[in-house]
Amino acid sequence: DTGVSQDPRHKITKRGQNVTFRCDPISEHNRLYWYRQTLGQGPEFLTYFQNEAQLEKSRLLSDRFSAERPKGSFSTLEIQRTEQGDSAMYLCASSLVIGSEAFFGQGTRLTVV
Amino acid sequence: DAKTTQPNSMESNEEEPVHLPCNHSTISGTDYIHWYRQLPSQGPEYVIHGLTSNVNNRMASLAIAEDRKSSTLILHRATLRDAAVYYCILDAGSGGGADGLTFGKGTHLIIQP
Repeated sequence: DTGVSQDPRHKITKRGQNVTFRCDPISEHNRLYWYRQTLGQGPEFLTYFQNEAQLEKSRLLSDRFSAERPKGSFSTLEIQRTEQGDSAMYLCASSLVIGSEAFFGQGTRLTVV
Repeated sequence: DAKTTQPNSMESNEEEPVHLPCNHSTISGTDYIHWYRQLPSQGPEYVIHGLTSNVNNRMASLAIAEDRKSSTLILHRATLRDAAVYYCILDAGSGGGADGLTFGKGTHLIIQP
């Protein structure tokens, strides 16, 4: 257990539905990252928060994706109008400051049918 | 981010040392070398990182070539629990900057009993 928790661990949804994932980072960590990982590939960066501010978004993050981190604590990642191509593992990571290691959660596995 | 090259897979025997190579010929002077590993159905886990000098911690050792164009992760005595995908990553922020960590496909390490 790294101290980063993600909920749910698994989600099956029908194409076109909206889904929301939650990440609870290690409490004193200022930095929070979302990644996506498909089978056989390494994780790909999606977005990054410094406290409550979303400072960077990857081109992978289409308009259907939105992330929030209210009050700089937990974060949510919402996918609207899901597509089959959204099926992947969604990973959250947190770190204390720049220069420190990143701690990853166990991920949320999304299957869009 | 500068690119790294790793073998797709490696095999080793239990209780023997394992040397996992990584080439990074385009590394810049400010790039740190990070290693993470990912066990099946888990998020990535930090292993070790370094800049120029060799590094040791409880999990592994990192040997960095003098010209910094390659590095080797050393597991001194492999166990079955070390079977994982190992990622070698270059990062200027020494821990995941504003654009996160750039993972490649990594090396799939197989440990034979």
